[in-house]
Amino acid sequence: EAGVAQSPRYKIIEKRQSVAFWCNPISGHATLYWYQQILGQGPKLLIQFQNNGVVDDSQLPKDRFSAERLKGVDSTLKIQPAKLEDSAVYLCASSLHTGSYEQYFGPGTRLTVT
Amino acid sequence: AQTVTQSQPEMSVQEAETVTLSCTYDTSESNYYLFWYKQPPSRQMILVIRQEAYKQQNATENRFSVNFQKAAKSFSLKISDSQLGDTAMYFCAFMKRSWNGGTSYGKLTFGQGTILTVHP
Repeated sequence: EAGVAQSPRYKIIEKRQSVAFWCNPISGHATLYWYQQILGQGPKLLIQFQNNGVVDDSQLPKDRFSAERLKGVDSTLKIQPAKLEDSAVYLCASSLHTGSYEQYFGPGTRLTVT
Repeated sequence: AQTVTQSQPEMSVQEAETVTLSCTYDTSESNYYLFWYKQPPSRQMILVIRQEAYKQQNATENRFSVNFQKAAKSFSLKISDSQLGDTAMYFCAFMKRSWNGGTSYGKLTFGQGTILTVHP
């Protein structure tokens, strides 16, 4: 069974530029999560989807971050414009459904904003 | 809001020995779930062990076991017979059930992590 796929694995941009990350969850998983993991900290949930609907985006900085999962499968997270403090690893995870205990994580995208 | 605290930024242990990682949490919820996740240097996080708060019996998964003290809000992870492959960052995490309309969902809150190094 293929795991959660993410691309790119690394990205370096200048502040005020825009960037997009892509995630493909495990086949059949209805729930998809995006986390931000700043160096030395635990992951923080940014947004959670159930199929193509948003379940929780209370910690998403909506003035610069956006995410979509239009067809209920893969998802894109965008930052526009990026700030220095957005430097982090962005993790995508998926689970069978919102009631699932176990989340399966992808390898992450390491973003450096200079 | 829930908080999860891991007071040990780094730990080390010799191969084949036992190590315990600490975690405390703060919540007013009565029903919740606690987890330990492992993040090896390759950065793909995997679930190690899970504990339901309503269960008094401590969870065990092979060499991994927990000491769940609900009244003290403490949830430690014991790794027995440590192996080199156990070297990783370990995160304690808390999940409570929330509702959005008619949808129940779980939301994970992670601690800061403990870097565990197993020495040969």
